[in-house]
Amino acid sequence: NAGVTQTPKFQVLKTGQSMTLQCAQDMNHNSMYWYRQDPGMGLRLIYYSASEGTTDKGEVPNGYNVSRLNKREFSLRLESAAPSQTSVYFCASSEATLASYEQYFGPGTRLTVT
Amino acid sequence: KQEVTQIPAALSVPEGENLVLNCSFTDSAIYNLQWFRQDPGKGLTSLLLIQSSQREQTSGRLNASLDKSSGRSTLYIAASQPGDSATYLCAVPPPPGNTGKLIFGQGTTLQVKP
Repeated sequence: NAGVTQTPKFQVLKTGQSMTLQCAQDMNHNSMYWYRQDPGMGLRLIYYSASEGTTDKGEVPNGYNVSRLNKREFSLRLESAAPSQTSVYFCASSEATLASYEQYFGPGTRLTVT
Repeated sequence: KQEVTQIPAALSVPEGENLVLNCSFTDSAIYNLQWFRQDPGKGLTSLLLIQSSQREQTSGRLNASLDKSSGRSTLYIAASQPGDSATYLCAVPPPPGNTGKLIFGQGTTLQVKP
C-alpha cells in the first residue's frame, strides 16, 4: 500500500515549456487534489476532483489544467511554464468530500522554472 | 471567509520540554480539524484528525484539543525530542455547502535542541 505517489520528484523547466505532473493513489479514494506550496503563502489549492469524471478550480487555477484519468490517477499539466510557477506541488486524496474526511498527501514535486 | 492562523511561526525548545502549538480559525462551523507534520523537503503527514464532536484526540506523545466555540485548537507535544523538529500545520474544511478543500494555517516550525 503506497498511499499517494507523485512523479517526478524534481523538475527544471525553461519558460514556455510544458509538462505533466502525475499523481496516483491506491486507497480507492473518491477525491483528489492538487496544491502548491510557496514560502510565506502556505498551501493553496489549484484544482480538485470530487469524484471520477469531475474536476473543479481551486484558489489558483490559472496556468494549469488537470485530468482525472480514472479513480486512481489525477494529473496536473502546465501548458506554458512561467517562473511564477516555481513551487512545490503536492497531490492529495481523501475518501470523500463530505465533512468527516481525512486528506493524505504525496511526497511532492519540486518544480523550478527558469 | 474562513481563515486559519498559527502562532508562533517558529519555536525553539530544549529536548525534554513539553510544548503547545496553537491554531485558531475564524468560522467555528467546522466539521473537523486536521494536524499535519511536514519535514523539510518532504510531503505532509497526517498526525491527528479531530471531529467536531470530539474535544481531544491522542496519538502517542501528541494530544490535540478542539474548542469550536472559541475557534481554537492546540497540539500538545510531551517530552519533546530532536526528531520532533518539523513544521506543524493545522487545516480545516470550508463551511458547509462547500466541497472538501482544506484551508491551511501558515504552520509553526519547531526546533528541538539536543
